[in-house]
This record gives sequence, structure tokens and C-alpha cells, in this order.
Amino acid sequence: GAVVSQHPSWVICKSGTSVKIECRSLDFQATTMFWYRQFPKQSLMLMATSNEGSKATYEQGVEKDKFLINHASLTLSTLTVTSAHPEDSSFYICSAESSAGYGDTQYFGPGTRLTVL
Amino acid sequence: QKEVEQNSGPLSVPEGAIASLNCTYSDRGSQSFFWYRQYSGKSPELIMSIYSNGDKEDGRFTAQLNKASQYVSLLIRDSQPSDSATYLCAVNNANGGSQGNLIFGKGTKLSVKP
Repeated sequence: GAVVSQHPSWVICKSGTSVKIECRSLDFQATTMFWYRQFPKQSLMLMATSNEGSKATYEQGVEKDKFLINHASLTLSTLTVTSAHPEDSSFYICSAESSAGYGDTQYFGPGTRLTVL
Repeated sequence: QKEVEQNSGPLSVPEGAIASLNCTYSDRGSQSFFWYRQYSGKSPELIMSIYSNGDKEDGRFTAQLNKASQYVSLLIRDSQPSDSATYLCAVNNANGGSQGNLIFGKGTKLSVKP
């Protein structure tokens, strides 16, 4: 149980294009999903919190107009990197929060490696 | 600024030994504590969660929590080379505004030598 998928697992795009990443909770409903970014040999950095049916909450320093988040259903959140540039190349990881059991536990997707040329 | 501190390592232990990973946190209001394992190039995988003071055992893993000292640890018994990874300590962000957000430590890199 508590499986989270991401698609695509990797993507290479040209500078200036937009890339959409999907995050799905496969066997549970997630009212809250999180988007993280991880640069090589660095820790996870929370980008935004995605709540089903409402606007995402962005962390300080993260451009909401560049990183568009849509959480249209209880099992799907999408992150769109608009007008991507080489500095956006990173490992993007989503997680979904499960309320089953005691406490709120986050389960991570396998990640999407984005390379912007 | 709420913080979760971990020794970055690398921590090197011989195969079969006990690996001890430590974590301290700054927010006294935190109630949920997690250990994740992250292999290079992969996303984090949940190993253990702990919510009450004391020990919690799951197979070769034991999590220990001491809220008074704001300290949580992970012991790995009979360490195997396959345990070699970065271990992330995570603590819930108990500010009420973003309940359920996790604050991650930078991780401790564990290397188990055959």
C-alpha cells in the first residue's frame, strides 16, 4: 500500500520550453501532496504544498508563476515548469500525505530527473 | 528557523556491525518523526516512523525517540552492504499552518564495508 507514482521518470528539454510532471497516489487518496527539488549531493528542498481543490502554497524563493501546480483530484497533482532554463535542471520529487493510521506520513514518488539543454 | 540536524558522515561500519544514526531537532512541538533511506539517484523510502518516547523496533531497525532531549536515532543491526545509503531524518513542522510538512535533515551517508 501507499504507492506514489511519477511520470515521466526523466525528461530532457530545450531551454524555453515547458515540462509537465505528474504525481499520482495509486492506492490512497491524498488531500495534500508536496513537491520537492533536489540538486546533486544536496538535501531535499520543499518547493510547494499542493492541496486538492485549492491553490498551492509556495515556499519562499520559489516562483509560483514559473512552477505551476494543479491538484485537481485526490489522486493527482501536476507540476509544470514553464520556460525552463538550464538552472532548473534537477531531481523533482513529489510526495503524498496519507492520513491512514496514526499521524500523517509522507510517501515519495520515484522522482523525475529534468535536464534542460 | 526550525532545524533538523544530522551528522553528514560518511559513517563507515563493517558488515555485521551496528550502525547508529543520530538526529536532533529544534521544534519542541513536533510530534511525528521519520527515518527515510535514499539511495543515490533515487527518491527517499520510508523506513520507520515514531511518535512516542522510547524505542520502536522493526526487523533490523530500531528507532529511538527522546522528546525531552529533542533527539531521535536509528540503529541498524547486522548492517549489510545493501544498507549503504543516505539516511534522512524528518520531523513534522508543527506550526499549524502547514500541518504535515516535514522538515528534513541533510542526511547521513552510511557506508557498510564487506
